[in-house]
Amino acid sequence: AQKITQTQPGMFVQEKEAVTLDCTYDTSDPSYGLFWYKQPSSGEMIFLIYQGSYDQQNATEGRYSLNFQKARKSANLVISASQLGDSAMYFCAMREGFNNLFFGTGTRLTVIP
Amino acid sequence: ETGVTQTPRHLVMGMTNKKSLKCEQHLGHNAMYWYKQSAKKPLELMFVYNFKEQTENNSVPSRFSPECPNSSHLFLHLHTLQPEDSALYLCASSQEGTGGNYGYTFGSGTRLTVV
Repeated sequence: AQKITQTQPGMFVQEKEAVTLDCTYDTSDPSYGLFWYKQPSSGEMIFLIYQGSYDQQNATEGRYSLNFQKARKSANLVISASQLGDSAMYFCAMREGFNNLFFGTGTRLTVIP
Repeated sequence: ETGVTQTPRHLVMGMTNKKSLKCEQHLGHNAMYWYKQSAKKPLELMFVYNFKEQTENNSVPSRFSPECPNSSHLFLHLHTLQPEDSALYLCASSQEGTGGNYGYTFGSGTRLTVV
């Protein structure tokens, strides 16, 4: 069964606007971590933000914030004030306990000047 | 050097060749991973090493052979590959057994083309 679902294969956003990338997950483990990674065309997977299942506050890192809706099992990434350099693939990932990291299929974000 | 370094960045090999991918991490992590990323597919976890011991092999064909001589180095030996093995191969490391953010740090990948 798919543990991480990203339903948006591609998204477009105007420069300086905000964009939300969707991610839903499936787990019965009470302890898990949710991650977002950015993959530019160069190939490297760049860690953006982390949310633990027990964290009370939504995670934020600069222009990135994670909208964590635990009851809905969603962990959407919000990028504010989009920049041209934000154009890339974005992957949502999850670790259950200390099990391995599993990824969704990704969303390709294109920022339009 | 910092982070996770992978060499080579690009590799073209024939189906009868033997080659190796190298990964080195400078983070003092105790676990290392190989992932395969094919077009339009989720990242596939191939191998996991914890403290140099292989703890997972996700039904990977024997033409892929991993080696972890120490906690900082990880190799993927390739032989008699098929064209469908063409992909981006990503190495990652993590520090296991500690609390908090236990995400993986990735290298830039090796883009492999089998001809």
